[in-house]
Amino acid sequence: EDQVTQSPEALRLQEGESSSLNCSYTVSGLRGLFWYRQDPGKGPEFLFTLYSAGEEKEKERLKATLTKKESFLHITAPKPEDSATYLCAASSGGSYIPTFGRGTSLIVHP
Amino acid sequence: DAMVIQNPRYQVTQFGKPVTLSCSQTLNHNVMYWYQQKSSQAPKLLFHYYDKDFNNEADTPDNFQSRRPNTSFCFLDIRSPGLGDAAMYLCATSRETGITEAFFGQGTRLTVV
Repeated sequence: EDQVTQSPEALRLQEGESSSLNCSYTVSGLRGLFWYRQDPGKGPEFLFTLYSAGEEKEKERLKATLTKKESFLHITAPKPEDSATYLCAASSGGSYIPTFGRGTSLIVHP
Repeated sequence: DAMVIQNPRYQVTQFGKPVTLSCSQTLNHNVMYWYQQKSSQAPKLLFHYYDKDFNNEADTPDNFQSRRPNTSFCFLDIRSPGLGDAAMYLCATSRETGITEAFFGQGTRLTVV
């Protein structure tokens, strides 16, 4: 059974304090690793897709990386508007439909 | 421009009274999904369609049903809502399963009284 575990569950940062969110996955043959941002009371918004170990993608202050067992979402010099829940999902050759983690709730204080 | 639209945004229903949530898409994607999300939990897949092919998750209660009359529209029917069915219901679409990203609607917040 595919499993996706995100840590930490919650993270509080000061504005400008860089950090990383972790997504560990156990799937049989990774097809895709997805990161989403979810604001309170709204649907998730797509950020990145990673397909193979060593791949990296960047968008503004966010950078996603992928190894054979985990993915990291690095946040550089975060701003209060980066506050949200960040969800990770992984799809596999066994279950094409991505399995979601519970997310990391990020709060960035000004 | 909204690409996946869910209606209504908020729905209050009585215990046991059938309710239907709707979703439409302008992306012409093959795949449509329904997720249930409770507070601080991962979105839980209820069903998905690949075109007209319906796929029900093994642990989705019989109380939940779905229809996809055409490519653009998908409905979630809850036949007899219980208090435990109060949640955010998310509709999503993707071009393919597992290798392309999903586009989510804004969700319908269901309250059962």
